[in-house]
Amino acid sequence: NSKVIQTPRYLVKGQGQKAKMRCIPEKGHPVVFWYQQNKNNEFKFLINFQNQEVLQQIDMTEKRFSAECPSNSPCSLEIQSSEAGDSALYLCASSPGLGGSYEQYFGPGTRLTVL
Amino acid sequence: GDSVTQTEGLVTLTEGLPVKLNCTYQTAYSDVAFFWYVQHLNEAPKLLLRSSTDNKRTEHQGFHATLHKSSSSFHLQKSSVQLSDSALYFCALSDHMGAGNKLTFGIGTRVLVRP
Repeated sequence: NSKVIQTPRYLVKGQGQKAKMRCIPEKGHPVVFWYQQNKNNEFKFLINFQNQEVLQQIDMTEKRFSAECPSNSPCSLEIQSSEAGDSALYLCASSPGLGGSYEQYFGPGTRLTVL
Repeated sequence: GDSVTQTEGLVTLTEGLPVKLNCTYQTAYSDVAFFWYVQHLNEAPKLLLRSSTDNKRTEHQGFHATLHKSSSSFHLQKSSVQLSDSALYFCALSDHMGAGNKLTFGIGTRVLVRP
């Protein structure tokens, strides 16, 4: 079973408010991914890290979204000004390395509702 | 970019019957890994199967899949479904180009097993 911890499990925000969620990857996993799963169950990759360094991120992430994985602290994903379309399940996954032989282990997600 | 197609949105069947979930893909890359993830209600996605070897059958927990690069397919099958197999099933791929090895998911197939 995955040991990726995500908090909070549920988050409710008004439009324009900040929304911040955290992820503690499995011990020993230097690679962290954030995905957005919408109400139609479609996944969208947002950003990933190797240790503290950003590897890839999509344009959406570069604008209203910010993320970090500081040393010895949980990773975080923050939406600076929430919009209704941001309502989704945000999934964090960690991996012991890069490459197709490495599995991504998912956390249970943070379900964000933007009113 | 990469894409994954799952043609069935919902599969409903009776316990004990076989199931086949279709997955086809498009990618410009040759160094690619393929995955099936299962997501039960309000739970994290969990890896079910993975493969990067052409024409090799992969099995886990009664499910099996064979990557066929000639037809760009990685269909999932089980000979006899159980009630506990009711869940969302996602096919995904990860190419090794660029940084990060992000997953590209299909839209998922919901499997509903009835007694």
